[in-house]
Amino acid sequence: QVQLVQSGAEVKKPGASVKVSCKASGYTFTSYYVHWVRQAPGQGLEWMGRINPSGGSTIYARKFEGRVTMTSDTSTSIVYMELSSLRSEDAAVFYCARAVAYGNNWYGRFDPWGQGTLVTVSS
Amino acid sequence: DIQMTQSPSSLSASVGDRVSITCRASQTISTSLNWYQQKPGKAPNLLIYAASSLQSGVPSRFSGSGSGTDFTLTITSLQPEDFAAYYCQQTYSTPLTFGGGTNVEIK
Repeated sequence: QVQLVQSGAEVKKPGASVKVSCKASGYTFTSYYVHWVRQAPGQGLEWMGRINPSGGSTIYARKFEGRVTMTSDTSTSIVYMELSSLRSEDAAVFYCARAVAYGNNWYGRFDPWGQGTLVTVSS
Repeated sequence: DIQMTQSPSSLSASVGDRVSITCRASQTISTSLNWYQQKPGKAPNLLIYAASSLQSGVPSRFSGSGSGTDFTLTITSLQPEDFAAYYCQQTYSTPLTFGGGTNVEIK
């Protein structure tokens, strides 16, 4: 079945970077964009950006421009999201999600999602 | 950026009730609107896409309607497993944005 499996929880110090992985299975990896979404504790969902695993092109939300890097490895079907210069307010659960296009909507719908990766930022 | 405003932010309902959640976009988004359900400690799960298309495997008590700027998610006959948070999402243009969420609680 189609599945996205993310790496485990991380604890980082302020100013450090974190790299979260998202391994895809059950579908053709290069045929679907992958998006990243952040959810701070008790808060809503915030879109961070997306990567096209075929070729590696990216679009980032302005809020994260300069701090986020999304990459993909077609040999392992893994997408990575790295967030640098971490601050306390970056503590959150990070999700990857596959985007399924429909009609002429290229961003489509997010299905499935990874299980989430908790990132704690603490000195 | 397109702002998505969901209402109410929370509601209390009983099993068997009919529940409606609304989502308003700050500009027209055609039918580029998705709805997700999220249970505590879990990832969001797609319910409705393209404003009114039911995702495969989702019970038919869930339905979506609307186009342009105003959208509604309706749950007919609320079940115990439906108590969760619900989010709308526009995929009309980047940055993709979500509504603030609606918590559906047991009365």
